[in-house]
Amino acid sequence: GAGVSQTPSNKVTEKGKYVELRCDPISGHTALYWYRQSLGQGPEFLIYFQGTGAADDSGLPNDRFFAVRPEGSVSTLKIQRTERGDSAVYLCASGGLRGGELFFGEGSRLTVL
Amino acid sequence: AQTVTQSQPEMSVQEAETVTLSCTYDTSESDYYLFWYKQPPSRQMILVIRQEAYKQQNATENRFSVNFQKAAKSFSLKISDSQLGDAAMYFCAYSGGSNYKLTFGKGTLLTVNP
Repeated sequence: GAGVSQTPSNKVTEKGKYVELRCDPISGHTALYWYRQSLGQGPEFLIYFQGTGAADDSGLPNDRFFAVRPEGSVSTLKIQRTERGDSAVYLCASGGLRGGELFFGEGSRLTVL
Repeated sequence: AQTVTQSQPEMSVQEAETVTLSCTYDTSESDYYLFWYKQPPSRQMILVIRQEAYKQQNATENRFSVNFQKAAKSFSLKISDSQLGDAAMYFCAYSGGSNYKLTFGKGTLLTVNP
């Protein structure tokens, strides 16, 4: 597609449930990032993929969070046993060059009741 | 670890006037990149302007320019001839070293008054 696509746009779930958030990056972009943005804050880094492998997952808050990018394009962020504190907008971005522009999707707003 | 600080939670400007948003950062690296991103209510982050640390010349993109002071680790954004469409959250961001990831500040909410 022309831009980074994220689905779902909004997700409401109950505490303890499992959720998956999907990111479809710009075709040809090798780098893919997940960020989490809480209300009134800047985006916080979660994980970075270069191709299929997670090059840096130092931002994942705990082992309930996991992300995959099996074929080097689409990525899925998976959150197990969701907690109310997981409520945030999850942003995905893709890019091709170090120091270059990152292209962001519109994010997935997760609300955990 | 790198940190990015935006000391102005909110700013306002009259339409057609000029406003400057502040940003400071902390790093021990010599090779890095600095960015300003705009986030309107649609949530999609849009690149406004980018600066490579090794370049002494300040970046300019139409009405947007930066004042990059490397020794002071300061990277402010100047918006000239402000327009209503400039109203948004503005985030300063840093990228350095061998890692591509961006570190963001907390943002400045810009209001443009007609």
